[in-house]
Amino acid sequence: GEQVEQLPSILRVQERSSASINCTYENSASNYFPWYKQEPGENPKLIIDIRSNMERKQIQGLIVLLDKKAKRFSLHITDTQPADSAMYFCAASGEGTGANTGKLTFGHGTILRVHP
Amino acid sequence: DMKVTQMPRYLIKRMGENVLLECGQDMSHETMYWYRQDPGLGLQLIYISYDVDSNSEGDIPKGYRVSRKKREHFSLILDSAKTNQTSVYFCASTPGHKDTQYFGPGTRLLVL
Repeated sequence: GEQVEQLPSILRVQERSSASINCTYENSASNYFPWYKQEPGENPKLIIDIRSNMERKQIQGLIVLLDKKAKRFSLHITDTQPADSAMYFCAASGEGTGANTGKLTFGHGTILRVHP
Repeated sequence: DMKVTQMPRYLIKRMGENVLLECGQDMSHETMYWYRQDPGLGLQLIYISYDVDSNSEGDIPKGYRVSRKKREHFSLILDSAKTNQTSVYFCASTPGHKDTQYFGPGTRLLVL
């Protein structure tokens, strides 16, 4: 199986500063790492993902870094805005076999609060 | 626009009653999932379905069963609901087991 640890559980930042969320995983066969944003009362929505053939990916103000050796990946939000306030989840998925095939294992989530 | 639907959106049941949660997708996605979300625990996988009548247990299958008779529909069944099954249940789908999962809007279940 897979275990994903996500830190911090709560993150408070000032508007226009950057925010970083870190995740670690255990299964070296994991090769797909999505990040989801969930607003209160809503469903999780994919915001960015990275596969194991990359070390860095950026979509506008979102940067994802992947360190396969350390089995660590992170989300960095630059120039944060109050609208970025939400719950963020990291996840990991690998090739696996049998019961592990196609399974996404999620971190426990980070509540981000961006203060004006 | 990719869409996953869930019915009902809100449900209140008494302990011991049966519960049926429905999920649908109009994208002919092969793989579908049921998760539950509880505060501080993130999303926990209950069951995966790789296609019609091809289902596999997730991490927390106890107390649940699933049914997938058509590719577009995936049902989660609670036989004799328990109060600790009060949760928000999300369905998701993906075109293949390696691809992005798209989540439905969720069903908020309260078991009294």
